[in-house]
Amino acid sequence: DTGVSQDPRHKITKRGQNVTFRCDPISEHNRLYWYRQTLGQGPEFLTYFQNEAQLEKSRLLSDRFSAERPKGSFSTLEIQRTEQGDSAMYLCASSLQLAVITDTQYFGPGTRLTVL
Amino acid sequence: AQKITQTQPGMFVQEKEAVTLDCTYDTSDPSYGLFWYKQPSSGEMIFLIYQGSYDQQNATEGRYSLNFQKARKSANLVISASQLGDSAMYFCAMREGGQKLVFGTGTRLLVSP
Repeated sequence: DTGVSQDPRHKITKRGQNVTFRCDPISEHNRLYWYRQTLGQGPEFLTYFQNEAQLEKSRLLSDRFSAERPKGSFSTLEIQRTEQGDSAMYLCASSLQLAVITDTQYFGPGTRLTVL
Repeated sequence: AQKITQTQPGMFVQEKEAVTLDCTYDTSDPSYGLFWYKQPSSGEMIFLIYQGSYDQQNATEGRYSLNFQKARKSANLVISASQLGDSAMYFCAMREGGQKLVFGTGTRLLVSP
């Protein structure tokens, strides 16, 4: 059973460029989540999918951010016109829906974004 | 208001000793779940232990146990017999009704030989 994988692990970009990250969840997991973690803080929720449907988005997810999960498997997170404030670790997690409270989210290794 | 509070920015423990990492939470929802994750320097969040609000017993997973005091709204993580590999950031998180986890700011644990 492979875990959640994310690609790339590191991304350095210049301000104003677009970037796209990919997340491959644990197979058979129907829920997929994106979080952002800045230095010295815990992860903050961005959005989540159940299968291919995006069911919740945080106010942190400005209109420059878009996430997709087209076939209910892997997901992409795109940031357009990056800003220095977007520099953070972007974490993906997946879970298998069993019950609302108890399903455990398993995280990937993250993508560290640096915007110069 | 902070949903999850971790008041210890850093903790030190000697190898083979036990250590308690504090976590208090704030919710008015009677149904919620509490999670602890470990984050080594590599960055990956590793799930350690889960406690449901209706669970009668404190959760245990190997060397990890959760000291759940519902009336005090605390969910402290106890690591017994600390190992050098336990050195990492530890995050407490809560889920209440929705799907997202809300995390605290974490505690950095350093285990010394």
